[in-house]
Amino acid sequence: DQQVKQNSPSLSVQEGRISILNCDYTNSMFDYFLWYKKYPAEGPTFLISISSIKDKNEDGRFTVFLNKSAKHLSLHIVPSQPGDSAVYFCAASGWKKSSGDKLTFGTGTRLAVRP
Amino acid sequence: KAGVTQTPRYLIKTRGQQVTLSCSPISGHRSVSWYQQTPGQGLQFLFEYFSETQRNKGNFPGRFSGRQFSNSRSEMNVSTLELGDSALYLCASSTGLDQLQETQYFGPGTRLLVL
Repeated sequence: DQQVKQNSPSLSVQEGRISILNCDYTNSMFDYFLWYKKYPAEGPTFLISISSIKDKNEDGRFTVFLNKSAKHLSLHIVPSQPGDSAVYFCAASGWKKSSGDKLTFGTGTRLAVRP
Repeated sequence: KAGVTQTPRYLIKTRGQQVTLSCSPISGHRSVSWYQQTPGQGLQFLFEYFSETQRNKGNFPGRFSGRQFSNSRSEMNVSTLELGDSALYLCASSTGLDQLQETQYFGPGTRLLVL
């Protein structure tokens, strides 16, 4: 049972345009969401996170939006740069007391930014 | 501050053998989590250790085990290796202390190939 879903395995965007990566979740106990970026043969690099008490968090070119009622979050990258080309993973965690620091990941979206 | 380190980076084993992977968390971090990444399954949670105790466990067979030492370094052991155990094994650390969720930081991973 995939509790975190990234339905688009790949996305191609022109340099300078906006990249929008989507993620859906099914577990209503999730209350903290993160986006990681991953290059081949490297560990995931943390990008940005959002708590369930917020609906938006912004850090430079990266903005994450959370729609709790729809159980949906998205990552916006503006403007997109060729160096952003990587696989992006959405991850979620539940209440600390019950699930510790366990992260549940989506299957990833491969972003290609064309020069 | 040094990041999460994992050793070895690459490993080749044969079916039936056992393997031990090592992870050193970021200084001051007491929580260490392990994940398995395969092309078909994405990142799957194995287990989490906090203060030398397993705090959370994923849905992996008993052949997968781990431990944590008093200096927060962690080891993961896989016994009776199977071909399907070939994967990138990732370790992540966090302080583990906060009552709220916090970001986990990943190491570069150990690439295990089982022949």
